[in-house]
Amino acid sequence: KNEVEQSPQNLTAQEGEFITINCSYSVGISALHWLQQHPGGGIVSLFMLSSGKKKHGRLIATINIQEKHSSLHITASHPRDSAVYICAVRYNGSQKLVFGQGTRLTINP
Amino acid sequence: DAGVIQSPRHEVTEMGQEVTLRCKPISGHNSLFWYRQTMMRGLELLIYFNNNVPIDDSGMPEDRFSAKMPNASFSTLKIQPSEPRDSAVYFCASSFRHPDEQFFGPGTRLTVL
Repeated sequence: KNEVEQSPQNLTAQEGEFITINCSYSVGISALHWLQQHPGGGIVSLFMLSSGKKKHGRLIATINIQEKHSSLHITASHPRDSAVYICAVRYNGSQKLVFGQGTRLTINP
Repeated sequence: DAGVIQSPRHEVTEMGQEVTLRCKPISGHNSLFWYRQTMMRGLELLIYFNNNVPIDDSGMPEDRFSAKMPNASFSTLKIQPSEPRDSAVYFCASSFRHPDEQFFGPGTRLTVL
């Protein structure tokens, strides 16, 4: 069982919809990352956060340390947002990143 | 800056051959990471360096895998001998300090026949 669980595994939506991707982890962490992997395979770091909320353009990432849960939101989704979104955590006392299995997002025009 | 550079982008080899993957991190970054991505296991950290020194290699699957970072601008990941189960996409990433945002290279798609 993966220590980092993402849901849903696959998500298809229409252009303009509000998107939420969830990430849950099991023990205390020092940081959580959200990554985006494009269909061509490239990986881009979207956010790194340890508390609260961060916003970049139409993307918003939140984390609730007590509930061990993070969400990635996309407002006014667009077909170019279609990608795999990956959550990764760094546990307290460890330097390694542990990755979720990813959420494949498809936005139809 | 050109970003993290990896070479080759694609590698096809036969079982038993030696494979060397190369990475040039972003200039000024002092942490470098090697990852492997497969359909079955997703993304996994293999090893990471800080200031050219290997810090954690617990993700290296077995002795067939080795990684070096002789200087701040170059790292290699070597597989000898290669096996079909090593087929994967290998990513290199760098950051200014660890922990910090990581910048990924385009990856090397390795196929071992």
